[in-house]
Amino acid sequence: AQSVTQPDIHITVSEGASLELRCNYSYGATPYLFWYVQSPGQGLQLLLKYFSGDTLVQGIKGFEAEFKRSQSSFNLRKPSVHWSDAAEYFCAVGARGGGNKLTFGTGTQLKVEL
Amino acid sequence: DAGVIQSPRHEVTEMGQEVTLRCKPISGHDYLFWYRQTMMRGLELLIYFNNNVPIDDSGMPEDRFSAKMPNASFSTLKIQPSEPRDSAVYFCASSLGAGLAAGELFFGEGSRLTVL
Repeated sequence: AQSVTQPDIHITVSEGASLELRCNYSYGATPYLFWYVQSPGQGLQLLLKYFSGDTLVQGIKGFEAEFKRSQSSFNLRKPSVHWSDAAEYFCAVGARGGGNKLTFGTGTQLKVEL
Repeated sequence: DAGVIQSPRHEVTEMGQEVTLRCKPISGHDYLFWYRQTMMRGLELLIYFNNNVPIDDSGMPEDRFSAKMPNASFSTLKIQPSEPRDSAVYFCASSLGAGLAAGELFFGEGSRLTVL
């Protein structure tokens, strides 16, 4: 079964600084990988996804993520954080051929200091 | 376009009472998911449906939980009897197409349940 680890529970960055949120997955083959964002009191919104091809994936709101098979990682990055990016971020993995089930990480809470 | 609609947004009840959470998926979506979110366990998939048929309910914690999807535009998650450990935010999500490559999950705003 697949699993996801987000090692950082909380991260604080200054507005304008760069951001990297870590995600490691466990799966026997190349998985489907996702990043979702959850603002307070809201549901989750898809930021970006990786299925195949180019390992650097661009998403909404200026986010990108890079799939590194050798490291089983799919880290989320943004070159310059805005105060509105403060939210909780979830990495998720899905199995190819495994139906529509997604396994989510425990999330990383991002705080942005002005 | 309307997104996934969940009700109630907040529910406070006493232990032993029946709780019913409701979800209206996005029109045309053929997959519907129920997730539970807690601080301790994060986001857990409880059950999901395809074309109103339950496909995988292995995440349903116990017999006190049941879910139905009588038609393509409505689903319920029922807890009877409720217990304090059921306190969580319950999310409904829908998607279109077979397999994760077909599309993303669209989440509702969640139903926050507190069982006293």
